[in-house]
Amino acid sequence: LAKTTQPISMDSYEGQEVNITCSHNNIATNDYITWYQQFPSQGPRFIIQGYKTKVTNEVASLFIPADRKSSTLSLPRVSLSDTAVYYCLVSSGNTGKLIFGQGTTLQVKP
Amino acid sequence: GAVVSQHPSWVICKSGTSVKIECRSLDFQATTMFWYRQFPKQSLMLMATSNEGSKATYEQGVEKDKFLINHASLTLSTLTVTSAHPEDSSFYICSASGTGDFTDTQYFGPGTRLTVL
Repeated sequence: LAKTTQPISMDSYEGQEVNITCSHNNIATNDYITWYQQFPSQGPRFIIQGYKTKVTNEVASLFIPADRKSSTLSLPRVSLSDTAVYYCLVSSGNTGKLIFGQGTTLQVKP
Repeated sequence: GAVVSQHPSWVICKSGTSVKIECRSLDFQATTMFWYRQFPKQSLMLMATSNEGSKATYEQGVEKDKFLINHASLTLSTLTVTSAHPEDSSFYICSASGTGDFTDTQYFGPGTRLTVL
């Protein structure tokens, strides 16, 4: 499984756009990129998933360059409730296994 | 769609007893379920992968005789912590992936807090 690297922590202010970049240099052809959000004492919540180019849903956008060695999660106009840990994961298209890294702790300030 | 539940949400037990945790996919059929453990201020650690009707595959270092996993139906998997000890106290989280629109994506349950006294 491809290892992912992302910043340990980030700070932002309410109303700003937040971009969290993740590197996954050893991503395989069948692998997907998935981002989750986790609040304390809760299970991770699915945010967005993509394979290549750009994916957008009602809460976020995911940008994946052509070489797929990195990806960027974009959260538009964050609020205090977006303070959480964000995990970037590469899932094997064959086994579906996810190996969690340390995630990025996002702190949104008023 | 894609709702996964866990029961109980928290449990306290005495050392030496066994505890069973249930994981259910409520609105889709989960062909594969995963069990994770998370210690305070740490990331999730994958314990095992279970496919419906098959024996679970455990990650290296996870004792299969201590953490019994059963995935008897497409909507239910159980994790039994046998002869629990204080060091087994942790946050246990399951996830499920299925077929159709739910392929390739894991959806997580809310977690179960286990405290062993």
